[in-house]
Amino acid sequence: DIVMTQTPLSLSVTPGQPASISCKSSQSLLHSDGETYLYWYLQKPGQSPQLLIYEVSKRFSGVPDRFSGSGSGTDFTLKISRVEAEDVGVYYCKQSKQFPLTFGGGTKVEIK
Amino acid sequence: EVQLVESGGTLVQPGGSLRLSCAASGFTFSDFWMTWVRQAPGKGLEWVATINPDGNDKYYADSVKGRFTFSRDNAKDSLFLQLNTLRAEDTAVYYCTRYTRACDLWGRGTLVTVSS
Repeated sequence: DIVMTQTPLSLSVTPGQPASISCKSSQSLLHSDGETYLYWYLQKPGQSPQLLIYEVSKRFSGVPDRFSGSGSGTDFTLKISRVEAEDVGVYYCKQSKQFPLTFGGGTKVEIK
Repeated sequence: EVQLVESGGTLVQPGGSLRLSCAASGFTFSDFWMTWVRQAPGKGLEWVATINPDGNDKYYADSVKGRFTFSRDNAKDSLFLQLNTLRAEDTAVYYCTRYTRACDLWGRGTLVTVSS
């Protein structure tokens, strides 16, 4: 199984400041078809998770451009250029290269 | 409206059974793979199972293999998750998701509580 490790566990950010979350996989997420199947989700308090970023760096429909994803192989990063109050919640990375699908443990983002 | 609505979650005793349903609307259900993801209280997300569009190809987490059965009825735009031999550690909110390798559409979830 591919193990997904997120850091930090939690983050407290001043509004308007940047934030960065790291996700490392135990093996490369580069598939033989040339795609890298790494995803980012946000679960806001009391809500279902929602897709933010797919295939490392592509923003899902409606996701603000302050969110960006980067990385390759086994190391990935989600960046929020200027955190807003509505960005609070738990962020998860997930790999879909192979079954079992696996999620990172989550990073809780709160506002200072 | 494009949506997924889960139902069927309830309190059940250890060793008991339950069937969860997920009703899809607003998209061509039969074109899509679908996935169940669960979340234990206060914990992170855990993949449970995935099914292909025609229902003939299924994948299960080791933690549920042999106890849970994933099925679908494309004529009714519905998914089903049969949960057997339930354990306390199966207590969770179960989310139905549309799967395109991304889980790009999520329901609100249904709570399964396994307790005596």
